[in-house]
Amino acid sequence: AQTVTQSQPEMSVQEAETVTLSCTYDTSESNYYLFWYKQPPSRQMILVIRQEAYKQQNATENRFSVNFQKAAKSFSLKISDSQLGDTAMYFCAFMIGTSYDKVIFGPGTSLSVIP
Amino acid sequence: DAGVTQSPTHLIKTRGQQVTLRCSPKSGHDTVSWYQQALGQGPQFIFQYYEEEERQRGNFPDRFSGHQFPNYSSELNVNALLLGDSALYLCASSLAGISGNTIYFGEGSWLTVV
Repeated sequence: AQTVTQSQPEMSVQEAETVTLSCTYDTSESNYYLFWYKQPPSRQMILVIRQEAYKQQNATENRFSVNFQKAAKSFSLKISDSQLGDTAMYFCAFMIGTSYDKVIFGPGTSLSVIP
Repeated sequence: DAGVTQSPTHLIKTRGQQVTLRCSPKSGHDTVSWYQQALGQGPQFIFQYYEEEERQRGNFPDRFSGHQFPNYSSELNVNALLLGDSALYLCASSLAGISGNTIYFGEGSWLTVV
């Protein structure tokens, strides 16, 4: 069975600073995908960034980047130049690389950006 | 291009009643999945529909059932509601046959069971 763990229930960061959210996962699969989703108070689940397990290069999307350590099964999210709009729940998620798009979510990290 | 739409947005039901939630997938998508998100937790996979059939199912009792229509829209039905069924129900859509393709979520339906 696949599991996703987020060990930081809550985090805070000063506006314009950098913060890193941690995630570890467990799987015996070799072909899979990892995601970070953002869920603001509006509850809309928004994809922040994705990483294919077969790619060694870490994914980046503007101020968001990941540190993907496949051997350690670690997938952390770094947010640079934090903005007030980044305040949200962040979920690390995993999907096996088949066409059966079942996503397994971690418990989430609540991030607060402080002005 | 409309994204994933869900209805109703909020509803309140009494314990023991039945509820139906509806979802229209993003244009061009043919696969619909449903997730339950209890307060303060991550979403949990309920089941997935493709070609009008349930393709895979999570660890949920038979009280949870669904349906997919020829236009790819879907319904989630929950019978004999329990207080513990109170949650945000998220619908997600995707296009089958593409490994790892992006999944789009709706804004969810808030169900409160009293």
